[in-house]
Amino acid sequence: KNEVEQSPQNLTAQEGEFITINCSYSVGISALHWLQQHPGGGIVSLFMLSSGKKKHGRLIATINIQEKHSSLHITASHPRDSAVYICAVGESTGNQFYFGTGTSLTVIP
Amino acid sequence: NAGVMQNPRHLVRRRGQEARLRCSPMKGHSHVYWYRQLPEEGLKFMVYLQKENIIDESGMPKERFSAEFPKEGPSILRIQQVVRGDSAAYFCATQSQRSEKLFFGSGTQLSVL
Repeated sequence: KNEVEQSPQNLTAQEGEFITINCSYSVGISALHWLQQHPGGGIVSLFMLSSGKKKHGRLIATINIQEKHSSLHITASHPRDSAVYICAVGESTGNQFYFGTGTSLTVIP
Repeated sequence: NAGVMQNPRHLVRRRGQEARLRCSPMKGHSHVYWYRQLPEEGLKFMVYLQKENIIDESGMPKERFSAEFPKEGPSILRIQQVVRGDSAAYFCATQSQRSEKLFFGSGTQLSVL
């Protein structure tokens, strides 16, 4: 079993739709990261969370430490949001990060 | 993130050759993580280095793979006698100690023929 599980694996949405991507993890963590990977491979950090909720533009990330679960929401989705979204957790007892396999999002105009 | 520099962007090697991947972290960051991303799989931790020290190499294959981060110059991930299974994207990353944000290089796509 992977330390980090994401769902859905693939997601197609119409422009303007509200999108939710989920992440569950099984290890003790110091922080959780949401990353965005565009075609061509570049990876960009979107959020780092250790509790609660963060908002940046149309993106919202939440984390529930007790339930070991995080969600990434995109409001008013746009085709330029099309990318792979990756959840990563930094373990609390070491140096490692564990990564989900990513959610591939396609937003259709 | 432009701050973490990786080269080459693409590397093609024949089986049995050596591959050297380079990573220069952002200014002020003295440590790097190396990750491997296989097709259809998530990023997997390989090694965590600080200048002149390997802190955690628990994700490195026991043979053919080595990493270093000298006092001067970039971090090097070295793969000797490459095999087709080594074909993957290799990313390096650093983490801001202040914000804990992760910064990734653009990756090196290794193709072994």
